[in-house]
Amino acid sequence: DIQMTQSPSSLSASVGDRVTITCRASQSVGSYLNWYQQKPGKAPNLLIYGASSLQSGVPSRFSGSGSGTDFTLTISSLQPEDFATYYCQQSYSNPLTFGQGTKVEI
Amino acid sequence: QVQVVQSGAEVREPGASVKVSCKASGYTFTNFGISWVRQAPGQGLEWMGWISGYNGNINYAQKIQGRVTMTTETSTNTAYMELRSLRSDDTAVYYCARDLASSPERGDYWGQGTLVTVSS
Repeated sequence: DIQMTQSPSSLSASVGDRVTITCRASQSVGSYLNWYQQKPGKAPNLLIYGASSLQSGVPSRFSGSGSGTDFTLTISSLQPEDFATYYCQQSYSNPLTFGQGTKVEI
Repeated sequence: QVQVVQSGAEVREPGASVKVSCKASGYTFTNFGISWVRQAPGQGLEWMGWISGYNGNINYAQKIQGRVTMTTETSTNTAYMELRSLRSDDTAVYYCARDLASSPERGDYWGQGTLVTVSS
């Protein structure tokens, strides 16, 4: 199975900050990398697919980059509603696997 | 609008089975697939498998293969996930999500989740 490792596991930030979360795959996943946001008690919400494509309806302050084994999710200006846990997921090979999550706190 | 609605919470004893339903609306069911993901209390996300609404092709995570069956009922736009021989570590919120029809890739619309509690 492909292991996905996110860093950091948690971070503290303020409204307006630029936030970067990284995700590393144990082997190349090409561009088959998705990012999800999850708030407590809610289902995950797809933010980015194909490493850099913005899902419809997602604010443009979210962006993704990378290919192969190293990926980044960037929030250009953190908003109050962005405090949540973020997960990366590879869809290159079965089983699809998620990172352990990055909790973004105030 | 696309909606995915799951069945309600379940409590089972160890060794029993549970079947969770996932009813889709607002899109052509056979043009997409359904992925299943679970989340144990306080833990991360675990992909369980995928079924195509187009041709019924299935991919299961090897970890649970042999205990899980995913099916679809195109007449009612409903997907089902049955998990057998339940153990305490199967206690989790189970999610279904709309995915591609050709292969599992990304869940763009998710159900609200179904809490399955396994306890004696």
